[in-house]
Amino acid sequence: KQEVTQIPAALSVPEGENLVLNCSFTDSAIYNLQWFRQDPGKGLTSLLLIQSSQREQTSGRLNASLDKSSGRSTLYIAASQPGDSATYLCAVMGNNAGNMLTFGGGTRLMVKP
Amino acid sequence: DGGITQSPKYLFRKEGQNVTLSCEQNLNHDAMYWYRQDPGQGLRLIYYSQIVNDFQKGDIAEGYSVSREKKESFPLTVTSAQKNPTAFYLCALVTPNTAFFGQGTRLTVV
Repeated sequence: KQEVTQIPAALSVPEGENLVLNCSFTDSAIYNLQWFRQDPGKGLTSLLLIQSSQREQTSGRLNASLDKSSGRSTLYIAASQPGDSATYLCAVMGNNAGNMLTFGGGTRLMVKP
Repeated sequence: DGGITQSPKYLFRKEGQNVTLSCEQNLNHDAMYWYRQDPGQGLRLIYYSQIVNDFQKGDIAEGYSVSREKKESFPLTVTSAQKNPTAFYLCALVTPNTAFFGQGTRLTVV
């Protein structure tokens, strides 16, 4: 059974710092991997989706990489801002039918002004 | 507005009571999913439906029930058999290339 782990569980950084969030998964037979953002008490917003054949995706200050063979993904946030404060979750979709996502526990990020 | 709508935002349940959470979508997606989120944890799959009149159990289906009579609607009932229902519930539309989530319902047992 797929297991997804995110480290660290919480992170506090000063504004302007570049930072990396980590995600690892146990079964490399994935269809894709997504990074989501969740604000307190809200739903999830998709940030980046990496297909299994891709190595990375970029959107603005965000860059996500995927190393399927080692079961790892990273989310790089450049020049962090207080507005980036949120919980970031990664999720993998397996190759089996059902389009089911398996989620990590999330990293709670606080960017201090 | 196109999207996925959950209601109510907050719900309170008494012991032994069944409650129903609503999830409606107007994006014409076939597949709909219900997830449960506990504080500081990721999402766990309760039920999903890939087509009208069909649904499948997820990892934590015990104490929950669903129906899918219309493509647009996928309500979740939390039954009295669910002994620890206090959590944040999220409905989602998921395809191989996209995922849309509702704004969630926070259920509390009183």
